[in-house]
Amino acid sequence: EVQLAESGGGLAQPGGSLRLSCAASGFTFGTYAMGWVRQPAGKGLEWVSSIGSSGNTHFANSVKGRFAISRDNAKNTLSLQMNSLRAEDTAVYYCAKRGYCTGRTCYYHFDYWGQGAQVTVSS
Amino acid sequence: QTVVTQEPSFSVSPGGTVTLTCGLSSASVSTNYYPSWYQQTPGQPPRTLIYSTNIRSSGVPDRFSGSILGNKAALTITGAQADDESDYYCVLYMGSGISVFGGGTKLNVL
Repeated sequence: EVQLAESGGGLAQPGGSLRLSCAASGFTFGTYAMGWVRQPAGKGLEWVSSIGSSGNTHFANSVKGRFAISRDNAKNTLSLQMNSLRAEDTAVYYCAKRGYCTGRTCYYHFDYWGQGAQVTVSS
Repeated sequence: QTVVTQEPSFSVSPGGTVTLTCGLSSASVSTNYYPSWYQQTPGQPPRTLIYSTNIRSSGVPDRFSGSILGNKAALTITGAQADDESDYYCVLYMGSGISVFGGGTKLNVL
């Protein structure tokens, strides 16, 4: 059974930093792309960042230059380092697994989700 | 900036059929965007319903179906049930690892 468990959320001051982790199990972590999606309270979902199986990274414009995504395939762990935090970064952050490839066809959806971690940026 | 558009809200009667759509501000949605659909209830993570336009995720009832209608992706719920009352999000894959979420549609079943 695929399981994703976020940790590391909490309260940070504007301009501060937080690091989220996502422990993955139930699948061969190193062979799948992974991502982070966030949701401010009462608002919609927003894609934040993705990392491919080879380590290539991508970021939404809203976090580019402030956030970094990484993975440790030996520990089956995905991380999101969040620096220069702003009030508008306050949200629940979900870890999500990307879809799969079969033959020459790849599927780019998010097929499994964690329960989410709350990040609050406030003075 | 890419904007993915969805109806803010929609209502359907129990047993009825409803089609939610997902458009692009500056282009037509095609299968090349690998449209996917997610259902979310308050306090819960999203649940994946449909991916790559029309493939149902494991365990999703066949009353949920995906398609391209005109220049938009579409999610059709046939025989709506009370527990279908949720928020529905579409996502378009823009390539190079980038996904864009629509603003979501709040579906009321009443």
